[in-house]
Amino acid sequence: AAGVIQSPRHLIKEKRETATLKCYPIPRHDTVYWYQQGPGQDPQFLISFYEKMQSDKGSIPDRFSAQQFSDYHSELNMSSLELGDSALYFCASSQPQGPYNEQFFGPGTRLTVL
Amino acid sequence: DAKTTQPNSMESNEEEPVHLPCNHSTISGTDYIHWYRQLPSQGPEYVIHGLTSNVNNRMASLAIAEDRKSSTLILHRATLRDAAVYYCILRGFTSGTYKYIFGTGTRLKVLA
Repeated sequence: AAGVIQSPRHLIKEKRETATLKCYPIPRHDTVYWYQQGPGQDPQFLISFYEKMQSDKGSIPDRFSAQQFSDYHSELNMSSLELGDSALYFCASSQPQGPYNEQFFGPGTRLTVL
Repeated sequence: DAKTTQPNSMESNEEEPVHLPCNHSTISGTDYIHWYRQLPSQGPEYVIHGLTSNVNNRMASLAIAEDRKSSTLILHRATLRDAAVYYCILRGFTSGTYKYIFGTGTRLKVLA
């Protein structure tokens, strides 16, 4: 079965650089969520999109932005990178919103900021 | 957002059942109880979810208290591959979406 695809899987950047993370949801899933998981931390919700519109915003820094495109893939853009941005970034997708629909998580992108 | 409380860690012997508890005393009537697990360096993986009745699937069983203020994830026969962090999450509609609010989870160690 198709799963959530994230690219790249690993990314190394220098401080103050920019990074773009991509997420390809499972076909026919119209909702995408982004989570950040720092070393030894639990996943923290960043932002979500439903039908290409931002539906909710969590603890996402102003330096980050995201969008969902017409084909439902999503990109997380990160600028002025800081050492503290080093983390695993997960994308998850789900079918039309409902509390009973589980989210399917991708394998994550490991971002290292030097 | 409704909160959950789980023990930080638990241990189990291989081939034995494991009961992972979760308290959620502030659960609302429309919140679903979801369980996920996360293996090292992997994305969280769905395990099971329920609303009021006990639920079974191929991975586990979910026992929900009658007052819904607590639940228990049951792994019937733990294997080494079940060693992971298990998250109990309440899922309801908050701030425009059904996002997950992860708590600290229970780190399950399975002993051979």
